[in-house]
Amino acid sequence: QVQLQESGPGLVKPSETLSLTCTVSGGSLWSYYWSWIRQPPGKGLEWIGYIFYSGSTNYNPSLRSRVTISVDTSKNQFSLKLSSVTAADTAVYYCARSPRGGVGFDYWGQGPLVTVSS
Amino acid sequence: DIVMTQSPDSLAVSLGERATINCKSSQSVLYNSNNKDYLAWYQQKPGQPPKLLISWASTRESGVPDRFSGSGSGTDFALTISSLQAEDVAVYYCQQYHSTPFTFGPGTKVDIK
Repeated sequence: QVQLQESGPGLVKPSETLSLTCTVSGGSLWSYYWSWIRQPPGKGLEWIGYIFYSGSTNYNPSLRSRVTISVDTSKNQFSLKLSSVTAADTAVYYCARSPRGGVGFDYWGQGPLVTVSS
Repeated sequence: DIVMTQSPDSLAVSLGERATINCKSSQSVLYNSNNKDYLAWYQQKPGQPPKLLISWASTRESGVPDRFSGSGSGTDFALTISSLQAEDVAVYYCQQYHSTPFTFGPGTKVDIK
């Protein structure tokens, strides 16, 4: 059974960089797309971007200038960095998997709340 | 970007009754090359991540009860719960994976009347 687990600080100061890591267990990164998706409290879902196991990336244009997603296949992990955060970036951040060829996001992490506040 | 809209924003249905949620995309999510609609439905309960219910507009994921069904093609889709159960109380989202940026609908909250 594939499991995804996010880790990282739950509180980030304004103008700093939010960093999260997703550890995948019970399966390989191979041949899947690995995404970050966020959900502000009480609001809807926003796709941030994905990385393919090979390292190729695709980011949401609304966040592209501030986002970096990277992968470490040796640790079965992928990571998110979001720079210059503001209070508007406060959200639950999920990591999720989507198979090559489609079907949407079939496995999700539990998603930590990351608060941007001084 | 493909904009996804859903209706209604919320609905309350009696136990055992039918619930229908509509989803519309601003452009077609049908790929002519394989005749597949790149549309998924998710269920999200409080404090939990979304759960994939249906992909390709109408294909139920393994383990999803058959009271959940998806229909539609092109730009207009629907999720139907044929006989609402207490455990179906949740917010439901549609999502297109036809093109990036992947986008979600705003969600529809389903409650018991």
